[in-house]
Amino acid sequence: NAGVMQNPRHLVRRRGQEARLRCSPMKGHSHVYWYRQLPEEGLKFMVYLQKENIIDESGMPKERFSAEFPKEGPSILRIQQVVRGDSAAYFCASSPIRPGNTEAFFGQGTRLTVV
Amino acid sequence: AQKVTQAQTEISVVEKEDVTLDCVYETRDTTYYLFWYKQPPSGELVFLIRRNSFDEQNEISGRYSWNFQKSTSSFNFTITASQVVDSAVYFCALSGTPYFGNEKLTFGTGTRLTIIP
Repeated sequence: NAGVMQNPRHLVRRRGQEARLRCSPMKGHSHVYWYRQLPEEGLKFMVYLQKENIIDESGMPKERFSAEFPKEGPSILRIQQVVRGDSAAYFCASSPIRPGNTEAFFGQGTRLTVV
Repeated sequence: AQKVTQAQTEISVVEKEDVTLDCVYETRDTTYYLFWYKQPPSGELVFLIRRNSFDEQNEISGRYSWNFQKSTSSFNFTITASQVVDSAVYFCALSGTPYFGNEKLTFGTGTRLTIIP
């Protein structure tokens, strides 16, 4: 009964490179949320996806960031042309179909460092 | 807009003392959920509790207890007889009435708790 799986756990990228963060939700969960935690700060919502649909991307930066949750495979958060300010921990959470009854299970996070 | 305020940035107590972490929230939703999470030094997020807005009963789980007061929009967390393993950053969070299943969380800025042996 695996939990939410994120990989890689740690990712180092040079400025200008692309970062791809993967999230496999818990079995039976079809909702995925991405959050960003800047150093010494709380988590901030980025995007909410269901299979093949972006439902709410109100927290996503307008440029360079994109997210997808294909019919098959993990959800991907993609950051193009990374900058130092993108260095943060990125957490994924998943929840089951029934709304209003979730504990929002979190993965262990991906720590992105931009050098 | 939703907002969660954790006014205590850092707290240090000596082991075995009791400690209360404060959380005040703002929301216009009539149905909402409140959460507490623990983030130990290893960095993962550990779910502690979820409370819905219709249930104002206080809850106790071992050394942990939660006091939900709708009248003051507060959801405080108390650790009794603290232990060194309780040292972590604790986050309070809020989710509103879900639209299309959207239960995104609004987090407070966290309280760093240090238990001194």
